[in-house]
Formats: sequence, C-alpha cells, structure tokens
Amino acid sequence: GNSVTQMEGPVTLSEEAFLTINCTYTATGYPSLFWYVQYPGEGLQLLLKATKADDKGSNKGFEATYRKETTSFHLEKGSVQVSDSAVYFCALSEAGNQFYFGTGTSLTVIP
Amino acid sequence: DGGITQSPKYLFRKEGQNVTLSCEQNLNHDAMYWYRQDPGQGLRLIYYSQIVNDFQKGDIAEGYSVSREKKESFPLTVTSAQKNPTAFYLCASRALGRGRLTNEKLFFGSGTQLSVL
Repeated sequence: GNSVTQMEGPVTLSEEAFLTINCTYTATGYPSLFWYVQYPGEGLQLLLKATKADDKGSNKGFEATYRKETTSFHLEKGSVQVSDSAVYFCALSEAGNQFYFGTGTSLTVIP
Repeated sequence: DGGITQSPKYLFRKEGQNVTLSCEQNLNHDAMYWYRQDPGQGLRLIYYSQIVNDFQKGDIAEGYSVSREKKESFPLTVTSAQKNPTAFYLCASRALGRGRLTNEKLFFGSGTQLSVL
C-alpha cells in the first residue's frame, strides 16, 4: 500500500540556520509527491510538488528532489526565517485519487 | 476571492448530540474531501466525493455522515456514534481535470475545531 514517513519533531532552529526535514514514501506505482505547510489555526497550503523521478520542486526558498532510488523527498531550506515556523506535511498521490499524508513536523524558528 | 469556507471555526458538542460542520467552495471543483487531524498524527480521510450525489468512505468513516446535494457544498455530520470526536476537521477540494498535472493540488479550508462538553 501507499504510505509516507517523515521525521518526528518538533524541530527548533535559530534564524538563518539550514533546514532539512526527511520524508520517505512507499508506493505501488509512480506517485506525485508534495510538501504542504500549515500555519497555526489554519488549513494546509501546497508548498511545492514533484511529479516524477529527479524532478525538483521549489518555492519560497524551499526545495525538495524526488529520489526514486531512495524513495525520498526531503525538504530543505538554506536559511530559515521566523516566519517559516509552521507544521510541514509530506504527502503523496497516485493518479490524484487519494492523498496520503505524513504525521507532520513542527518547526519553530527563534530569532 | 475563490476559496473554501469552513464554519464554524469552533464547535462544541454535548454527549449524544449530532453536529454538522459546513464546507462551501466557490472554486468550481468537482472533488471534495473531509480529513480529521489529531495532535501528533497526520491527516486521516473521513469521506470524499467526486461528483454530486455520490461519495465514498475513507479510512475512518464510522460515526460520520456526509451529503453532496450541490457541487459547492459538502457538509459533515458528526453523529453520537462517534465516541471520540474531539479533533481539528479539515475540508479540501480539487479540480478533476484531464491532465495529471492540473488535478493533484488540494485546496484546504481553515478548519473547524470540535470539542466535547
């Protein structure tokens, strides 16, 4: 079956630090991969996505590369800001019918 | 502005009571979803619908019911059979386009926090 495993949090970083949030997946076919972000008290927003192997999704300084050989889609940002504090969810979809989400990783960035 | 509106933002349920959470979208999306979010857990699918007057159970449908009488509306009822209803409920929608690249983005509402009195 399909599933997503992401690193447990919470993660606390100082401003301008480097961020990595690990995500690995299990899928029966060729899924699309996503990172969603949830700010306090709000719904989720799509941060970035990749639809095939070796694709790199990027947005707002965040990047993630679809690695089929390691079944991974790790989220990275070179220099985090206080405004990046949120919960980050890795997700996959096969043919867009159902979406499978990881448990979420809480990030707090301190000044 | 187009988007998804969930109401109310906070809801309290008394024991034995049914409550209904509203979800309305003006994005002209065909598919709509209800997810439950518990602390430390990912999103779990309750129900989804891809067309008016049709819907399917997700992973945790027991104790919940839905209807899809209009394309823009997908209300969720938490029945008295749901013994542990306290959670954050998220509604989402997406377009069902022909192209794979155009129909995989989920749009979320801002959620409803349901608590038991």
